[in-house]
Amino acid sequence: AQKVTQAQTEISVVEKEDVTLDCVYETRDTTYYLFWYKQPPSGELVFLIRRNSFDEQNEISGRYSWNFQKSTSSFNFTITASQVVDSAVYFCALSERRDDKIIFGKGTRLHILP
Amino acid sequence: GAGVSQSPSNKVTEKGKDVELRCDPISGHTALYWYRQSLGQGLEFLIYFQGNSAPDKSGLPSDRFSAERTGGSVSTLTIQRTQQEDSAVYLCASSLARTNYEQYFGPGTRLTVT
Repeated sequence: AQKVTQAQTEISVVEKEDVTLDCVYETRDTTYYLFWYKQPPSGELVFLIRRNSFDEQNEISGRYSWNFQKSTSSFNFTITASQVVDSAVYFCALSERRDDKIIFGKGTRLHILP
Repeated sequence: GAGVSQSPSNKVTEKGKDVELRCDPISGHTALYWYRQSLGQGLEFLIYFQGNSAPDKSGLPSDRFSAERTGGSVSTLTIQRTQQEDSAVYLCASSLARTNYEQYFGPGTRLTVT
């Protein structure tokens, strides 16, 4: 069965520090897709990235970067030089090609302290 | 419209009453999803529509929950005989195709059952 684990419930860092949010997944499918979403205090979820299981290249977008490692079933998210506006709940999610469900992790609440 | 819209934004209802929650997806998006987010919790997948059909309804928490989608567009989530444990934010999302595409979320309907 598919499962997404975000072990860090809550993280607090001081502004400008780097922070990594962990995501570990379980799947029996060989083709699957991983996502990260951001839920700011306003509540509306915002899509950040999608990665398919055949693409293990790391991705960088500005201060955001993602490290996908199939060997450890992890898809970690790093924010470099964090800013207060990065404060939000971040969700990792998984969908399998053979299924129509998408499973979200429980989220990591990130506090960036000024 | 430009994004996913949901109505009402807030709904307070008495235990035992029926409620209808509406979702208007992004034009041209064939896939539509309903989720439930309880206070401080992750997203619970409820149901997914591809066009007007819902291939898998097993995520619905009980037979008091039902959903339909007509014309490949607007969807309605109905909760009959509401219970206090139904209190949550109900989120709708849409995507271009099925679950392996990024989803665009609406602002949610906050349901409070008194």
